[in-house]
Amino acid sequence: DVKVTQSSRYLVKRTGEKVFLECVQDMDHENMFWYRQDPGLGLRLIYFSYDVKMKEKGDIPEGYSVSREKKERFSLILESASTNQTSMYLCASSRTSGGAYEQFFGPGTRLTVL
Amino acid sequence: TQLLEQSPQFLSIQEGENLTVYCNSSSVFSSLQWYRQEPGEGPVLLVTVVTGGEVKKLKRLTFQFGDARKDSSLHITAAQPGDTGLYLCAPRWAAGNKLTFGGGTRVLVKP
Repeated sequence: DVKVTQSSRYLVKRTGEKVFLECVQDMDHENMFWYRQDPGLGLRLIYFSYDVKMKEKGDIPEGYSVSREKKERFSLILESASTNQTSMYLCASSRTSGGAYEQFFGPGTRLTVL
Repeated sequence: TQLLEQSPQFLSIQEGENLTVYCNSSSVFSSLQWYRQEPGEGPVLLVTVVTGGEVKKLKRLTFQFGDARKDSSLHITAAQPGDTGLYLCAPRWAAGNKLTFGGGTRVLVKP
């Protein structure tokens, strides 16, 4: 069974803390994505990566950075967490060709910043 | 800037009723995907439509891609409580692997 796993389902952090969210996929996919999901706003793309060590900004990259040192792992970093980063964070992966660009999602991490 | 709108935002119906969810844009889509997200889970792909005018059926779900490839609809016949979830449309406007997600329609089917 193919899988995208995220390191935590729930996370509570304090303002100013550095936060790491990790995502691992076992499908050998080239592409990996980080989204945040807020009510009524759908999924908004933060960053994506199409290869190891490669990254591109999405629609809302401010306040975030990413790291992809291995093909199966994509990390999202909040350098200094703020309350407006309280949200659901979803990781996804997809193949570059074939598969109709289907994205496979992890279960999400609900982050609360106090 | 491509605008994407899903409607309605929320739909509550009784088991056995039909429903339709819409996804509209001012720009032409290269292709479009529909996902369903259940509580506590990530979205899961339902269907991909590519050709203008295309109609695809998945059991009681019917997906239509507009002739001009600027809109799509999802129709559920005889809805069941298991259809409850957040339905997201996700078009691709150009070549590449990025999707843009609509705001979603939250569907509640009451027994």
